[in-house]
Amino acid sequence: GAGVSQTPSNKVTEKGKYVELRCDPISGHTALYWYRQSLGQGPEFLIYFQGTGAADDSGLPNDRFFAVRPEGSVSTLKIQRTERGDSAVYLCASSLRGQGSEQYFGPGTRLTVT
Amino acid sequence: ILNVEQSPQSLHVQEGDSTNFTCSFPSSNFYALHWYRWETAKSPEALFVMTLNGDEKKKGRISATLNTKEGYSYLYIKGSQPEDSATYLCAFLNQAGTALIFGKGTTLSVSS
Repeated sequence: GAGVSQTPSNKVTEKGKYVELRCDPISGHTALYWYRQSLGQGPEFLIYFQGTGAADDSGLPNDRFFAVRPEGSVSTLKIQRTERGDSAVYLCASSLRGQGSEQYFGPGTRLTVT
Repeated sequence: ILNVEQSPQSLHVQEGDSTNFTCSFPSSNFYALHWYRWETAKSPEALFVMTLNGDEKKKGRISATLNTKEGYSYLYIKGSQPEDSATYLCAFLNQAGTALIFGKGTTLSVSS
């Protein structure tokens, strides 16, 4: 079956612009997670959805970052007024139930802010 | 603040060598420890989910052990092959079960 997919695979944008990153989880997975990996670091948690609601958004760095999952499937991570420090690989993962069940990752979107 | 440490940061071995990496994590409020392998331009691939103290899991030439009392896990690769070249990440599940806290990873390079 299909795994987690993310689009685009690469995104280059100018400082100050708005970007949207998309994640298609594995069908039937109720939990969805966003992480980002900056250069030289491990992936860092951003937000966790259970169904349509954000159950834990404690990892979002500031109010320029926002994520939605309106129908409990596809999720979009939105970044306003991008900064060079936002450059990273943004990873999405899904799991069957959340709360400790195994997370399956997509290939990531590499965001470069120039 | 939860901190997951991995060592070494990088490792270069010859084909056929056996190797091991270390992951250390907070020993209090333990829920689960995950190991992932991440090859360049691919998705991180789950290797093991470990929950019980003393757990030992094996998948082909790769195995892992867990000590929750002292807060460490070892990943072993027996007879390394070039296709084992990747970054190996360990992650500690937070108490709420909502997020994985990752280490920086160990990057393995295997030469033929």
